[in-house]
Amino acid sequence: GAVVSQHPSWVICKSGTSVKIECRSLDFQATTMFWYRQFPKQSLMLMATSNEGSKATYEQGVEKDKFLINHASLTLSTLTVTSAHPEDSSFYICSAREGGFGRGPKYGYTFGSGTRLTVV
Amino acid sequence: DAKTTQPNSMESNEEEPVHLPCNHSTISGTDYIHWYRQLPSQGPEYVIHGLTSNVNNRMASLAIAEDRKSSTLILHRATLRDAAVYYCILRASYGGATNKLIFGTGTLLAVQP
Repeated sequence: GAVVSQHPSWVICKSGTSVKIECRSLDFQATTMFWYRQFPKQSLMLMATSNEGSKATYEQGVEKDKFLINHASLTLSTLTVTSAHPEDSSFYICSAREGGFGRGPKYGYTFGSGTRLTVV
Repeated sequence: DAKTTQPNSMESNEEEPVHLPCNHSTISGTDYIHWYRQLPSQGPEYVIHGLTSNVNNRMASLAIAEDRKSSTLILHRATLRDAAVYYCILRASYGGATNKLIFGTGTLLAVQP
């Protein structure tokens, strides 16, 4: 089945530095990927939709200059948390669905294993 | 996006069936019903999805009401590894892979040995 690899699985960084998280679709092409954030004991909150070759679409309230998304290829999307602060500490998760012509909504979405970001 | 309503938590005993309900009274005719589960400190995992007919796969069964305003995820024999948060999500059928999934609060399933 479809596999989404997310790296790193955890990262600790100092306040004010930037952190990059990678999301790769290993055995399928993903023109669209999704980035979520999850705080402890809460549900997943969609941050943005990452589109290959074009700008990401951010959900309301998400700062696009703080959470930079790049989707340079059909198998890789990156999320960069710029000038991270302790309040950015969270569990970040990416997702994609194997799509394309002829592959309709019969398929579920595949999620990465998540990245635990701790800003100290 | 149409909203779903799930109980906050449920309990089950190991090796017994579990029925997880989901209400989606505002579902549109083109919405698929998706179920995902999330184990602690992991990304969500796809469980099953359907449109109108009941669906079965190796993980679970999905029973969809005739009016589609509710559905039930059925785990036939719960194991300790099934303890997770289960999310019921509606997803429009148009838009291909660009359609986003919006998560609600889900149901926390506890499985007792």
